[in-house]
Amino acid sequence: AQSVTQLDSQVPVFEEAPVELRCNYSSSVSVYLFWYVQYPNQGLQLLLKYLSGSTLVKGINGFEAEFNKSQTSFHLRKPSVHISDTAEYFCAVSVNAGGTSYGKLTFGQGTILTVHP
Amino acid sequence: EAQVTQNPRYLITVTGKKLTVTCSQNMNHEYMSWYRQDPGLGLRQIYYSMNVEVTDKGDVPEGYKVSRKEKRNFPLILESPSPNQTSLYFCASSFRSGTGRETQYFGPGTRLLVL
Repeated sequence: AQSVTQLDSQVPVFEEAPVELRCNYSSSVSVYLFWYVQYPNQGLQLLLKYLSGSTLVKGINGFEAEFNKSQTSFHLRKPSVHISDTAEYFCAVSVNAGGTSYGKLTFGQGTILTVHP
Repeated sequence: EAQVTQNPRYLITVTGKKLTVTCSQNMNHEYMSWYRQDPGLGLRQIYYSMNVEVTDKGDVPEGYKVSRKEKRNFPLILESPSPNQTSLYFCASSFRSGTGRETQYFGPGTRLLVL
């Protein structure tokens, strides 16, 4: 079974500063990796995903993440955050079973990013 | 517009009173899932369905039932709700391509309070 650990439950940061949200995963098979964002009182929106190929993945709103297989990590980064980036961020994995997936996502506990002016 | 809809969005009920939360998607997706979100625990999968009449348990299925009689609908049933099922529930659907490149689309959520 796979598991996901988000290393920080809360990350406060000043506006225009860089941010990194950390995610580590554990799995005995290869995985697909995702980052979702949840704005206050809203549903989940996909930020970016790693399926294969380049380990640096670019997503929406200026976010990017790097897949590091040796360290089993998929950290999310943004070089300069805005007030509007304040939200909860979830890292998730699904099993890559021979190039297909069975629709199950395993989520981390979430990281609340608070951007201060 | 491609979307996943859930009803109701908010529900307050009492222990033991059966309820159903509906989920519908208009994207012809094969996969559908139900998750619950609790503070500090992230989202945990309750049940999922790979196609019509094919369902399976997720990580926290106790106290829940599902059915998949039509491709677009995936209702979540609480036969006898208890206070520990107070939570925020999300339905999701996904397309499974030949290469397995899927993205899950989430509904807006249903906030349930069981008294």
